[in-house]
Amino acid sequence: GAGVSQSPSNKVTEKGKDVELRCDPISGHTALYWYRQSLGQGLEFLIYFQGNSAPDKSGLPSDRFSAERTGGSVSTLTIQRTQQEDSAVYLCASSRGHLEQFFGPGTRLTVL
Amino acid sequence: AQSVSQHNHHVILSEAASLELGCNYSYGGTVNLFWYVQYPGQHLQLLLKYFSGDPLVKGIKGFEAEFIKSKFSFNLRKPSVQWSDTAEYFCAVTLSGAGSYQLTFGKGTKLSVIP
Repeated sequence: GAGVSQSPSNKVTEKGKDVELRCDPISGHTALYWYRQSLGQGLEFLIYFQGNSAPDKSGLPSDRFSAERTGGSVSTLTIQRTQQEDSAVYLCASSRGHLEQFFGPGTRLTVL
Repeated sequence: AQSVSQHNHHVILSEAASLELGCNYSYGGTVNLFWYVQYPGQHLQLLLKYFSGDPLVKGIKGFEAEFIKSKFSFNLRKPSVQWSDTAEYFCAVTLSGAGSYQLTFGKGTKLSVIP
């Protein structure tokens, strides 16, 4: 079956621009997570969506970061006024409840 | 907040050698434990998981891990590695019973297997 998909696979942007990253979770998975993988910080949790509940935004590093999940399925992570320290691989994962999380291939973001 | 420590940053082994990668976590409550693997150019995949029950868990590709609650450890083992095991390995935890099941990851251990 189809796994978690993310787009774009690579994104190069200039400092100060806004970017949108998209995640399509596995069909039927109610939970969706965003993580960031960077050389200095390893894998960090960003935000969590579970069904229609309010998202857990406790991992977002600044108010430039936001995410939404429409119709309980597709999610978009938006970074406004990108900075060079935002350069990383952004990973999306989905799961059924608290069971194992399945990861997508990630979006590699490079901020020049 | 919970944290996960992986003792080795980079491990180099010859084929057929035995592998043990250390993982310790800091959290006093009930945890769920995972090992994920990231092969070169591929995305994160689950190797094995522990939720409850037998503390010795077996995963894919001959890997196993043992949960030792008294040591807050969940070490990964394989008796005989292959070149195809070359990858980065991540230990991770979630808090059992919490409202949010985000994974807290260790920094990862890069394994290089020499043919």
